[in-house]
Amino acid sequence: GDSVTQMEGPVTLSEEAFLTINCTYTATGYPSLFWYVQYPGEGLQLLLKATKADDKGSNKGFEATYRKETTSFHLEKGSVQVSDSAVYFCALSVYNNNDMRFGAGTRLTVKP
Amino acid sequence: AAGVIQSPRHLIKEKRETATLKCYPIPRHDTVYWYQQGPGQDPQFLISFYEKMQSDKGSIPDRFSAQQFSDYHSELNMSSLELGDSALYFCASSLVAGGSYEQYFGPGTRLTVT
Repeated sequence: GDSVTQMEGPVTLSEEAFLTINCTYTATGYPSLFWYVQYPGEGLQLLLKATKADDKGSNKGFEATYRKETTSFHLEKGSVQVSDSAVYFCALSVYNNNDMRFGAGTRLTVKP
Repeated sequence: AAGVIQSPRHLIKEKRETATLKCYPIPRHDTVYWYQQGPGQDPQFLISFYEKMQSDKGSIPDRFSAQQFSDYHSELNMSSLELGDSALYFCASSLVAGGSYEQYFGPGTRLTVT
């Protein structure tokens, strides 16, 4: 079935370090891919998305490129800040199966 | 911009009691989804409604039921509560008819069963 596998955490980085959180997917159709962020005690916020192969989603300095050949949607940021500390979820949604499938989440902690 | 509204934000119930969670989707969104997120876990899809009809069903226990009303708000009814039902319950909405599968999440209802 459709599923998402993402890099297990937790991830601890120093401020201004480079971030990569790996995400790969399995889907029978043509999924849309998403990254959601969850700050402590809050709900899920959409960070970025990509709806077809080679699309690049970007927001707040974060980027992810939809790679069909490697079935991946890795999240990257060139210089993380303390305020980026949160749990990041990779997710997919397929046209004929409209529920969102989430990865296990990766907890990021950025230290000053 | 208007977001998804959930109420209550926090709820404490005892075992075997009943709980009702409410969700008000973003105006003009046609689809509502319910998710359950246990401590330290990823959200698990429970059920969804498109134009007030159930459209998809996930890992929703038989003790739970849900519906979407004519004003598009949705309610998740949970009966015979168990300790394991303690979790964060999210509602999300989207505009599927517009070709978008982007789901906007509410802040969640934290249910604690004691």
